[in-house]
Amino acid sequence: DSGVTQTPKHLITATGQRVTLRCSPRSGDLSVYWYQQSLDQGLQFLIQYYNGEERAKGNILERFSAQQFPDLHSELNLSSLELGDSALYFCASSEQSTRADTQYFGPGTRLTVL
Amino acid sequence: AQSVTQLGSHVSVSEGALVLLRCNYSSSVPPYLFWYVQYPNQGLQLLLKYTSAATLVKGINGFEAEFKKSETSFHLTKPSAHMSDAAEYFCAVSGSVGNEKLTFGTGTRLTIIP
Repeated sequence: DSGVTQTPKHLITATGQRVTLRCSPRSGDLSVYWYQQSLDQGLQFLIQYYNGEERAKGNILERFSAQQFPDLHSELNLSSLELGDSALYFCASSEQSTRADTQYFGPGTRLTVL
Repeated sequence: AQSVTQLGSHVSVSEGALVLLRCNYSSSVPPYLFWYVQYPNQGLQLLLKYTSAATLVKGINGFEAEFKKSETSFHLTKPSAHMSDAAEYFCAVSGSVGNEKLTFGTGTRLTIIP
């Protein structure tokens, strides 16, 4: 158990819908990262927050947004869902935001868009 | 920019045999390198990391990796494979300051033959 929790574990929805994925980092960790894992794209970085502020963006679609709240939990919002958004979404957290930090991964949310 | 290449998407070894999973990196800054393992339906777990200290890094579950700058490699090894080592293994490189994302390789699925 990494100490990072993600809810829900599974999510099945229809095209065009909007969903919210939630992540609680390890106690004391200030950084939260979101990654998407799919068969065709592999593991891709989406976005990073550090202590409530957006720090870096990766291959995140405009239909996706995220935020980190004062209690440091984070939410990833996916809207106007398409079939291709079906994937495993991971949240990871680290103590600070240095290159050497270990990122601890949650169990993931499996999103299926029908 | 940083990238990693994992040679061999599938590797099979007999139980008790040497495990060798290959990773080569490209980095515009001194690299920080990571190996993660993913068991079915689980998140990623850190095996070990290189952060510019000792070039031979020991990790969990008997794994180790050697950083070789001249070869731009960070191959993962284990002297004797166990059935429980069957999983997918990912090599990753950390980003630059201000964007500490992990860039992952495409993964190597390790199968252990009894």
